[in-house]
Amino acid sequence: SQQGEEDPQALSIQEGENATMNCSYKTSINNLQWYRQNSGRGLVHLILIRSNEREKHSGRLRVTLDTSKKSSSLLITASRAADTASYFCATSGTASKLTFGTGTRLQVTL
Amino acid sequence: DTEVTQTPKHLVMGMTNKKSLKCEQHMGHRAMYWYKQKAKKPPELMFVYSYEKLSINESVPSRFSPECPNSSLLNLHLHALQPEDSALYLCASSQPTGGSHGYTFGSGTRLTVV
Repeated sequence: SQQGEEDPQALSIQEGENATMNCSYKTSINNLQWYRQNSGRGLVHLILIRSNEREKHSGRLRVTLDTSKKSSSLLITASRAADTASYFCATSGTASKLTFGTGTRLQVTL
Repeated sequence: DTEVTQTPKHLVMGMTNKKSLKCEQHMGHRAMYWYKQKAKKPPELMFVYSYEKLSINESVPSRFSPECPNSSLLNLHLHALQPEDSALYLCASSQPTGGSHGYTFGSGTRLTVV
């Protein structure tokens, strides 16, 4: 079963704009990860934030985590057409399993 | 380029066929995973191997049979599949610490059952 929900389900923006995706989850976690998937391909790990961290940056990516609200957000700044993909949050708990949220489909137009 | 290699990339099989999906990683990871992904849905965990031993089976039907011959290889043997088993099958690997450094995924095998 899925751990979390993401919103929006789909997001369409113009190149240069920022894109924000939100993820909510249900149980306690060790860490939360974000992945990108281009159409029909494998997933690419973007960033990991641990449960004791509140914010993390990597290049144009900014991730926040609020464990009290069981939620996370991914911000992509200055988006590019190449950022067009599906983005998934995924949670890792005590067991060796990674459970994915429902995903956000991002479309960046020129 | 992915450091987890899956073969074949595409597979079409009949419901009476037996086939195998293969996955190989040379990252020194000691945990490997099989996920199933239907169109426009998130990946769903099927199996977890940790140090070459099956540690998690997410109640997957017995027509799917995993095998981990060594620390670099993971197979998924398929037999008597149904059309609803058509999906993208993803292999992943990680350190066996609950993915504390992220998972590395292969590009997947697109399976069609006819």
